[in-house]
Amino acid sequence: NAGVTQTPKFQVLKTGQSMTLQCAQDMNHEYMSWYRQDPGMGLRLIHYSVGAGITDQGEVPNGYNVSRSTTEDFPLRLLSAAPSQTSVYFCASSYDPYSATNEKLFFGSGTQLSVL
Amino acid sequence: AQKVTQAQTEISVVEKEDVTLDCVYETRDTTYYLFWYKQPPSGELVFLIRRNSFDEQNEISGRYSWNFQKSTSSFNFTITASQVVDSAVYFCALSEAGGATNKLIFGTGTLLAVQP
Repeated sequence: NAGVTQTPKFQVLKTGQSMTLQCAQDMNHEYMSWYRQDPGMGLRLIHYSVGAGITDQGEVPNGYNVSRSTTEDFPLRLLSAAPSQTSVYFCASSYDPYSATNEKLFFGSGTQLSVL
Repeated sequence: AQKVTQAQTEISVVEKEDVTLDCVYETRDTTYYLFWYKQPPSGELVFLIRRNSFDEQNEISGRYSWNFQKSTSSFNFTITASQVVDSAVYFCALSEAGGATNKLIFGTGTLLAVQP
């Protein structure tokens, strides 16, 4: 079982460059989300999606775009990278976003991004 | 507004000691969920437990136990007879019941170092 797959694992960008962080899950999960992890800040929600074609903003959405054209994929786009976006990014998914019995998020292994 | 506070930034113990990680939360919701996640040095996030706000029973899983007290808005985590493999960053998180239940608000984490 692949679970939640994030690529790349490491990336270095120059200020102003654009790139897409990829996230794919093979568990037929409806809910997918992106978090960033910064020292002393914990994890903060960037964007999330409750199903194909539906996305919404989290706590820190500025500078990031997302789309959800398929159930499996939820890419995160940085249109013009800034040093403030240096962080570790985690993608996460779960089966049913509204279920009270929903037990947990499945996290990917993370992408470490440095913006110079 | 929802908030999770983990006041202990770092804790260092010697193997076999018991250790308690504190978590205090704020929410206006009457129905909510609390989580603990472990992040070992390898970086992945490992789900440990989920609790809903109507279940105040303490839970024990092996050397791990959790104490949920609504009166003090706390959800503390105790490791009994700690081991070196317990060394990790531990995150407490909160989510609301309405809408997407997995929009997690994370605390800033507690780094636990267990010395041999």
